[in-house]
Amino acid sequence: GAVVSQHPSRVICKSGTSVKIECRSLDFQATTMFWYRQFPKQSLMLMATSNEGSKATYEQGVEKDKFLINHASLTLSTLTVTSAHPEDSSFYICSASLLYSPNQPQHFGDGTRLSIL
Amino acid sequence: DAKTTQPNSMESNEEEPVHLPCNHSTISGTDYIHWYRQLPSQGPEYVIHGLTSNVNNRMASLAIAEDRKSSTLILHRATLRDAAVYYCILTLGGTSYGKLTFGQGTILTVHP
Repeated sequence: GAVVSQHPSRVICKSGTSVKIECRSLDFQATTMFWYRQFPKQSLMLMATSNEGSKATYEQGVEKDKFLINHASLTLSTLTVTSAHPEDSSFYICSASLLYSPNQPQHFGDGTRLSIL
Repeated sequence: DAKTTQPNSMESNEEEPVHLPCNHSTISGTDYIHWYRQLPSQGPEYVIHGLTSNVNNRMASLAIAEDRKSSTLILHRATLRDAAVYYCILTLGGTSYGKLTFGQGTILTVHP
């Protein structure tokens, strides 16, 4: 149980393109989803927390107009990287949690490797 | 925010137990101790979590010190598939409610 699917797994596109990444909880309803970014040889950095039906909460230093998050249902959240540039190339990972609580595990997708040329 | 300290790397032999330590001396009473692991080019995988008592599941055991200032993740019989980066994370109350703050973790190497 607790499977999170992320799509696509890899994207290569030209600078200036907008890219949408989907995160789905397949066998549970996720009230909260999280988006992370991981650069090579580094740890995961939380970008934003999204709750179904409300606006996402972004971490300090993350541009909300650059990284658009939509959590339209209890099983789907999307991250759109708008007008992507080479410095946005990274490994993007989502996670989902049944409840927004310190006592709940987060279940992660397999990540999306974004390469901007 | 309460932080955790883990060794950068550890090595083990296949079929042997592995004890991965984590120090969290500034932990508060409502902070849960979580462990995740990440294989190369994959998202992290939940391993185990606990508050005060030791915890066991099909993947591992979590031993929590009585004062909660340290914990140990125990893999009872390491396999090659257990080679990964292991993260010990506190999930906090207050303004960081429920969030995971990843440190550098411990790189576990398992030798055949």
